[in-house]
Amino acid sequence: QKEVEQNSGPLSVPEGAIASLNCTYSDRGSQSFFWYRQYSGKSPELIMSIYSNGDKEDGRFTAQLNKASQYVSLLIRDSQPSDSATYLCAVSRLAFGKGNQVVVIP
Amino acid sequence: ETGVTQTPRHLVMGMTNKKSLKCEQHLGHNAMYWYKQSAKKPLELMFVYSLEERVENNSVPSRFSPECPNSSHLFLHLHTLQPEDSALYLCASSQDRASGTGELFFGEGSRLTVL
Repeated sequence: QKEVEQNSGPLSVPEGAIASLNCTYSDRGSQSFFWYRQYSGKSPELIMSIYSNGDKEDGRFTAQLNKASQYVSLLIRDSQPSDSATYLCAVSRLAFGKGNQVVVIP
Repeated sequence: ETGVTQTPRHLVMGMTNKKSLKCEQHLGHNAMYWYKQSAKKPLELMFVYSLEERVENNSVPSRFSPECPNSSHLFLHLHTLQPEDSALYLCASSQDRASGTGELFFGEGSRLTVL
């Protein structure tokens, strides 16, 4: 069974700081990895996709993938109050993590 | 309308009722999905349709019955549900086939409460 683990508990960060989210997965053969953002009462929307080892940057967001260690991470630089949401890690379309709540404190 | 639309947004039903959730995608995508999102649990993939053919059924109880009449529409028929089926049901679509690796586009969800 494919599993995706995200470290539990809300993450509180001051405005302007870096938020760091981590995710590990069990299926070594996985090829595609995604981070979705979900605001309260809304549906998930894609933030980043990553398919190969290394870093991928898009604006204030950076995704990092390490297939050997089976983890994927998301960094949010210069955190803004609008970044306050739950971030879902997904491995392909089959397995999602429970999500990490991020709270950016003005 | 654009994107993925779901109706109804909220549904309350008794355990003996029969109801349906509807999803429509206006993106020209080839695959459609039903996911269940319960509190404190990961998103669970329920069904996948690729080019109107069901390609995945993740051991979902038979009280949930999907229907995909064409590539733009997806239904989830509900009957004799249990209170533990109360959840947010999300429809999604993707441009590539279900076996592809592209992103998902989600609808706003249907919040189901079973009394």
